[in-house]
Amino acid sequence: GDSVTQMEGPVTLSEEAFLTINCTYTATGYPSLFWYVQYPGEGLQLLLKATKADDKGSNKGFEATYRKETTSFHLEKGSVQVSDSAVYFCALEAGANSKLTFGKGITLSVRP
Amino acid sequence: DAGVIQSPRHEVTEMGQEVTLRCKPISGHDYLFWYRQTMMRGLELLIYFNNNVPIDDSGMPEDRFSAKMPNASFSTLKIQPSEPRDSAVYFCASGTGLGEAFFGQGTRLTVV
Repeated sequence: GDSVTQMEGPVTLSEEAFLTINCTYTATGYPSLFWYVQYPGEGLQLLLKATKADDKGSNKGFEATYRKETTSFHLEKGSVQVSDSAVYFCALEAGANSKLTFGKGITLSVRP
Repeated sequence: DAGVIQSPRHEVTEMGQEVTLRCKPISGHDYLFWYRQTMMRGLELLIYFNNNVPIDDSGMPEDRFSAKMPNASFSTLKIQPSEPRDSAVYFCASGTGLGEAFFGQGTRLTVV
């Protein structure tokens, strides 16, 4: 079945450090891929998405590129801020009329 | 639009009591989702509706859980009777397709 695997957490970084959060997926067909972010005490919100191979999603300084050859959608940011501290979820939609499948999420803490 | 609105934000109840969680989706969204989030199991999809009709309830843990959507602007998730293992954060989300979901702030349920 469809699945999303995220790297184990938590991750703790200093402000202005480079961030990479790994995400790989298993799916039939050509899924759409998403990163969601959950700030403390809030619901999830869409951070970025990519709907086909080689697409790059970007938002708020975060980027992720849909790599079909490695079935990956790693999240990157060049310089993290304290305000980026949150839980990050990778997700996929395996095709039209499919449900979102979420990874387990990873907690990012950024210290000043 | 005010976004997805859930009530109550926090609920503490005694084991055996009935609990009803409420959700108002974003106007115009055809899909409504109920999720449960716990530390142990992460984010789980319980049930989703399309145009007020339940489409997939395979994630509902057992018969104690039920969900309704009597109209396009309101949905409930009911647990009767509640048990301590039901303690979790319950999220409602809505969207125009299955891929992208807009989440409410969640209801934190504690069953003692």
